[in-house]
Amino acid sequence: RKEVEQDPGPFNVPEGATVAFNCTYSNSASQSFFWYRQDCRKEPKLLMSVYSSGNEDGRFTAQLNRASQYISLLIRDSKLSDSATYLCVVNGEYGNKLVFGAGTILRVKS
Amino acid sequence: SQTIHQWPATLVQPVGSPLSLECTVEGTSNPNLYWYRQAAGRGLQLLFYSVGIGQISSEVPQNLSASRPQDRQFILSSKKLLLSDSGFYLCASRRYSGSYEQYFGPGTRLTVT
Repeated sequence: RKEVEQDPGPFNVPEGATVAFNCTYSNSASQSFFWYRQDCRKEPKLLMSVYSSGNEDGRFTAQLNRASQYISLLIRDSKLSDSATYLCVVNGEYGNKLVFGAGTILRVKS
Repeated sequence: SQTIHQWPATLVQPVGSPLSLECTVEGTSNPNLYWYRQAAGRGLQLLFYSVGIGQISSEVPQNLSASRPQDRQFILSSKKLLLSDSGFYLCASRRYSGSYEQYFGPGTRLTVT
């Protein structure tokens, strides 16, 4: 079983749609959770951290369910500029390291 | 805030040639540094990480090596490149000891021919 699993997509959605990505992780001891965004041929960039109570940043909402070892990202009112690959990331067995999911591709179309 | 530099941005090398990729970090001291590789259409694979000068941990057996000669310099090397070494090489820095967030440099795209 992979340490971090994501639906690869692609998710093809129209502008203005709401889209949700899910991610599961295998290490129950993980304490830190993130969503990164990666544009084509660019480096990953931190989108947001994911807190136990859930957190929101503008159109983006992240949720964590520790019991189910499940993380989600909700994007409301999708923009063309949201088109990218979204990476689910958790800290690994040893805190120094992060484990990246393979990513979910989002394509927002006009 | 910290800034991560990587060079070169793009590299085309023949099989069997040596490799040296450099990463430098500004705006922080004693960072944890990481080398990742991303093959085309694949996820990020951690290659090496370093918690300090001269301290290198290798994650996967391969023909690559890493060195950290200075606090904010991290180098990825190979004596003889293989076709399978092609990919997007990313250097990352852990922001500060209280957080696990990592920030990435712009990457080096390596094609081995």
